Amino acid sequence: QKEVEQNSGPLSVPEGAIASLNCTYSDRVSQSFFWYRQYSGKSPELIMSIYSNGDKEDGRFTAQLNKASQYVSLLIRDSQPSDSATYLCAAYSNYQLIWGAGTKLIIKP
Amino acid sequence: DTGVSQDPRHKITKRGQNVTFRCDPISEHNRLYWYRQTLGQGPEFLTYFQNEAQLEKSRLLSDRFSAERPKGSFSTLEIQRTEQGDSAMYLCASSLQDEQFFGPGTRLTVL
Repeated sequence: QKEVEQNSGPLSVPEGAIASLNCTYSDRVSQSFFWYRQYSGKSPELIMSIYSNGDKEDGRFTAQLNKASQYVSLLIRDSQPSDSATYLCAAYSNYQLIWGAGTKLIIKP
Repeated sequence: DTGVSQDPRHKITKRGQNVTFRCDPISEHNRLYWYRQTLGQGPEFLTYFQNEAQLEKSRLLSDRFSAERPKGSFSTLEIQRTEQGDSAMYLCASSLQDEQFFGPGTRLTVL
């Protein structure tokens, strides 16, 4: 099992709907998790960090961490075409980030 | 702009040549990281500095790769005798603690 896994997508969501992105992780990573957004040809941009079980909200974004099931999710409410990007899940381990391959999200107008 | 900066943004070189990239972190950040990313993949860790000390280096990293952070501020990443497989986006990030902030990257193309 890879340390951090994501469905590569693409995930297509209508504009205004909720986009739900998921990530699972193994025991080999720590308990700090991050969601990054990456537009094509650009570098990753930090959206959310989450360290404890439960939900963390920031504007239209909600990160959810479930340590018992070893998954992290990102919800994007009121999806906009500008949200179309690849979303990368990362776990912090020994000073480095361990990354999933990313989920491509497409918001259809 | 007080974010992470990288130079150059693009580099095209011929196989066998040496290349050097520079990264300037966010000024108060003592941690600096180098990653490499190829199309369709998440970034791959290369190395990590805390201040001027290189504390971690990927076991997958060839001896052709070397990085320095001489005064604990900017960092350089050198690739010697480049190969076509080195073509990728080279990303630099900095942090105070866990949250890492990335520069725009240097896209390397080896012909």
